[in-house]
Amino acid sequence: DAGVIQSPRHEVTEMGQEVTLRCKPISGHNSLFWYRQTMMRGLELLIYFNNNVPIDDSGMPEDRFSAKMPNASFSTLKIQPSEPRDSAVYFCASSNSYEQYFGPGTRLTVT
Amino acid sequence: ELKVEQNPLFLSMQEGKNYTIYCNYSTTSDRLYWYRQDPGKSLESLFVLLSNGAVKQEGRLMASLDTKARLSTLHITAAVHDLSATYFCAVDFGNEKLTFGTGTRLTIIP
Repeated sequence: DAGVIQSPRHEVTEMGQEVTLRCKPISGHNSLFWYRQTMMRGLELLIYFNNNVPIDDSGMPEDRFSAKMPNASFSTLKIQPSEPRDSAVYFCASSNSYEQYFGPGTRLTVT
Repeated sequence: ELKVEQNPLFLSMQEGKNYTIYCNYSTTSDRLYWYRQDPGKSLESLFVLLSNGAVKQEGRLMASLDTKARLSTLHITAAVHDLSATYFCAVDFGNEKLTFGTGTRLTIIP
């Protein structure tokens, strides 16, 4: 299995632009999680899906952030408009209800 | 409030020495995870602890869980340089949501 796949691996964009991060979970996993990691705040859960349905989005920082999971093999996290404080590493993880497996992350820099 | 606290935050130790990282959490849970993260890399699962008294070992690392004390430990035996990394504990307080500790940055000095 290829593991959790994320793209792009690095993204540099200007303030105000739309950013879309993509994730392909491990086949057969029924839960998907989006995390953000920064030096100041550590690892934060933004949102998670179970069977493609958003279960808890209480960690989404504000309305500029949105996430979708149109099918079991694909999810997106969108930031519109982006701001410099959104600069972070964004991880996607998928779970088989026993353990979460993390993707390689997307390093986002907003200038 | 759901909180997970790790200590120490930073640990510098010599090769060959033993040490323990502690993970305390605020409320009842019997699912705790340890992850390793190398600089610029993703999180790698080390241990899954699912019951009181659970103990797991892999090489020079051993993790244990005491759900009554709300405490998990990660013990390092005879440290080697390859163990230098940041170690996170994470607690599932329900519904598969993980709350992560702050991490312990471990540096092994030759």
